[in-house]
Amino acid sequence: DVKVTQSSRYLVKRTGEKVFLECVQDMDHENMFWYRQDPGLGLRLIYFSYDVKMKEKGDIPEGYSVSREKKERFSLILESASTNQTSMYLCASEDLSSLGEQYFGPGTRLTVT
Amino acid sequence: AQTVTQSQPEMSVQEAETVTLSCTYDTSENNYYLFWYKQPPSRQMILVIRQEAYKQQNATENRFSVNFQKAAKSFSLKISDSQLGDTAMYFCAFMKGPFGNEKLTFGTGTRLTIIP
Repeated sequence: DVKVTQSSRYLVKRTGEKVFLECVQDMDHENMFWYRQDPGLGLRLIYFSYDVKMKEKGDIPEGYSVSREKKERFSLILESASTNQTSMYLCASEDLSSLGEQYFGPGTRLTVT
Repeated sequence: AQTVTQSQPEMSVQEAETVTLSCTYDTSENNYYLFWYKQPPSRQMILVIRQEAYKQQNATENRFSVNFQKAAKSFSLKISDSQLGDTAMYFCAFMKGPFGNEKLTFGTGTRLTIIP
């Protein structure tokens, strides 16, 4: 079974802190994604990566950056956390041939105070 | 740009009954894929069912089936003989096709509760 893990289930940070969310997948998938999930808004794509050291902006990249130094690891960085970034963050991975079947991690619920 | 609309924020149904979740989408693409994903409480999101737009036959996976109306841009999910384990958030999603490296566009979700 594909396994996607995220570094924390719950995280509380202060405004202005730099925050790192890490995601690791164990199936050698080429594609990896970061979403945020908010009630009434569904899942919105922040960034995605099709290969090591490659990244593309999603629909809401402002205030975020990403890093993919190794194929299995995709990190989301909040350079200066703000209260409006309080949310559930979901990571996903996908094989190139899987035609949209993404495998999701358990999510990180981030609270910025 | 594609949009996906789920007009039912919440639904509930008695165990063993049949329930239908609605989804509409807007696109100018002719070749695409549609999906239903399930997110159980405190558990990871998983793919329930996928439909290729070029296929006229509706996809079926055990108790889950879809009603795909391409002209109407409608893609509903029917759950037959509902079970307590079907309680979850359900997201409808769209992807351009047929090539790889395309993004999923998700709807806002429907929270489904199965009542014992």
